[in-house]
Amino acid sequence: DIQMTQSPSSLSASVGDRVTITCRPSQSIATYLNWYQQKPGKAPNLLIHAASNLQSGVPSRFSGRGSGTDFTLTISGLQVEDFATYYCQQSYSSPHTFGGGTKVEIK
Amino acid sequence: QVELQESGPGLVKPSETLSLTCTVSGGSINDYYWNWIRQTPGKGLEWIGYIYYSGSFRYNPSLKSRVTMSVDTSKNQFSLRLDSVSAADTALYYCARGFDGSGNYARLTFDYWGQGTLVTVSS
Repeated sequence: DIQMTQSPSSLSASVGDRVTITCRPSQSIATYLNWYQQKPGKAPNLLIHAASNLQSGVPSRFSGRGSGTDFTLTISGLQVEDFATYYCQQSYSSPHTFGGGTKVEIK
Repeated sequence: QVELQESGPGLVKPSETLSLTCTVSGGSINDYYWNWIRQTPGKGLEWIGYIYYSGSFRYNPSLKSRVTMSVDTSKNQFSLRLDSVSAADTALYYCARGFDGSGNYARLTFDYWGQGTLVTVSS
């Protein structure tokens, strides 16, 4: 199985901050990397697919980049509604695996 | 707008079978991969497997011996059966639609999710 390592596991930030989350798979996955946002009591919500493609309806302050074994999710100008937990997921090979999550909290 | 809704018992006894159904509305079940994913505080998000609308499937090897999935295109539903459950199977179970960005390799992105249903394994 491909192991997905996210860092940090949590962070504190203020509204307006630029936040970057990293995801590193245990082997190269080209650009088969997706990002999800999960709020308490809700299902994960797809933000970005194929490393850098913004899902329809997702604000443009979210962006993703990377390939191979190094990926980032950036939120440019954190909003109140962005405080949540973020997960990466590889779709390169089965079983599809997720990172452990990054909880973004209010400073 | 596609919506998914899980249904099934919230409490299952150890060694028995967990059975869940996901009903898809607002879109066809055809041409997509239909997935079960579970979440626990300890293990996080775990992909259980998918069933394609045609009936082909793939399961997570860690659960493969206990999992069976099925699809009923006439009802726009798909189902999960997990045998011989234990406390370790206590989790929030989600159904989710998967699309294949690679063309034909089942490299799945999960774009629609159900709200999740908590299943507790306890006597």
